Amino acid sequence: NAGVTQTPKFQVLKTGQSMTLQCAQDMNHNSMYWYRQDPGMGLRLIYYSASEGTTDKGEVPNGYNVSRLNKREFSLRLESAAPSQTSVYFCASSEISAGVRNEQFFGPGTRLTVL
Amino acid sequence: DAKTTQPNSMESNEEEPVHLPCNHSTISGTDYIHWYRQLPSQGPEYVIHGLTSNVNNRMASLAIAEDRKSSTLILHRATLRDAAVYYCILRANDYKLSFGAGTTVTVRA
Repeated sequence: NAGVTQTPKFQVLKTGQSMTLQCAQDMNHNSMYWYRQDPGMGLRLIYYSASEGTTDKGEVPNGYNVSRLNKREFSLRLESAAPSQTSVYFCASSEISAGVRNEQFFGPGTRLTVL
Repeated sequence: DAKTTQPNSMESNEEEPVHLPCNHSTISGTDYIHWYRQLPSQGPEYVIHGLTSNVNNRMASLAIAEDRKSSTLILHRATLRDAAVYYCILRANDYKLSFGAGTTVTVRA
């Protein structure tokens, strides 16, 4: 199993350009997440999808949109990139559970620079 | 949301134990204590979690204070591969993880 995969690994954009970050998981998980990590800081949740067909805002959703394409795939779109969106983006997935065992599995990240 | 407090950094020698403290004085009765770690240039990975009792797994042990206001992650024999940022996270019964700055662990050969 590949786990959680993300594409691309690296991207450089100019201010105002748009792009979509792709994420896929092969663990049959119901829930998927997008986080960003700025230098020297912990991860912050951008959006999440508790199950196929649903999406919800996290802590820092402004400037982003998401699409839960199917159970496997969850994409993150930057419509008009800004330098403040320079960051490392991580996708994660987990099972739905009534409890909190809910371990999240993370992808390797996409390093995005906006000039 | 209840918050956690961790030291910024800790150092250890290889093959010695590492004790990583975490304070969470405002923890609620339903919050689980989770630990994740992030190796350099990688995404975070789950380490261990617990509610009230001490927990052990192949990676580490988690010791939880009786009043649950603090906990300690124990790496029994540190290796160079354990050099990472360790995050202590309180988890309510929802889907979200809230990461702080964590503790950067350095392991000396």
